Amino acid sequence: KAGVTQTPRYLIKTRGQQVTLSCSPISGHRSVSWYQQTPGQGLQFLFEYFSETQRNKGNFPGRFSGRQFSNSRSEMNVSTLELGDSALYLCASSPVAGGTGELFFGEGSRLTVL
Amino acid sequence: QKEVEQNSGPLSVPEGAIASLNCTYSDRGSQSFFWYRQYSGKSPELIMSIYSNGDKEDGRFTAQLNKASQYVSLLIRDSQPSDSATYLCAVRGSGNTPLVFGKGTRLSVIA
Repeated sequence: KAGVTQTPRYLIKTRGQQVTLSCSPISGHRSVSWYQQTPGQGLQFLFEYFSETQRNKGNFPGRFSGRQFSNSRSEMNVSTLELGDSALYLCASSPVAGGTGELFFGEGSRLTVL
Repeated sequence: QKEVEQNSGPLSVPEGAIASLNCTYSDRGSQSFFWYRQYSGKSPELIMSIYSNGDKEDGRFTAQLNKASQYVSLLIRDSQPSDSATYLCAVRGSGNTPLVFGKGTRLSVIA
């Protein structure tokens, strides 16, 4: 069974640009969560989607947005990039929303903002 | 703000010893508790889940939960150098709440 697939794996952007990251969950998983990981703050929750609906949103500015498609694939977008947005962005899928809370992570998209 | 606290380490143990990793959480209504392992440069991998007070064993790993003390721990018996990684404690509260992670404890097993 294929795992969670994230693309691109690495990307470099400059301040002010925007970026879109993609996540394909494990087949049959309908819930997708996004996390930002930095050395100083650890894993911080961005948003969770289930059946194309955002169920939860973390404490991030409106520059961070996401969506989920009918096939459960998800994208997140960061507009007007800032240096502090440099991080590893992790997508995780789960068979159900909330519930037991077992998340299965992709390899992440490492974003560097110059 | 629901918080999960872990000692950042590094925690160094000799090969073959027991490694003890600890975690406290602030939300008394929390229902689900998890331990993830993250190797350097890799993504977190679920290794244990526990939902009720007491111990849960899986191979060399034992998770312990004490809801009254809001405390969860992970014991790794017969530690191996391959266990060297960062261990993340994660907690989910009641209802529609996201999984909240601690910042992780870095474990180093010395051969």
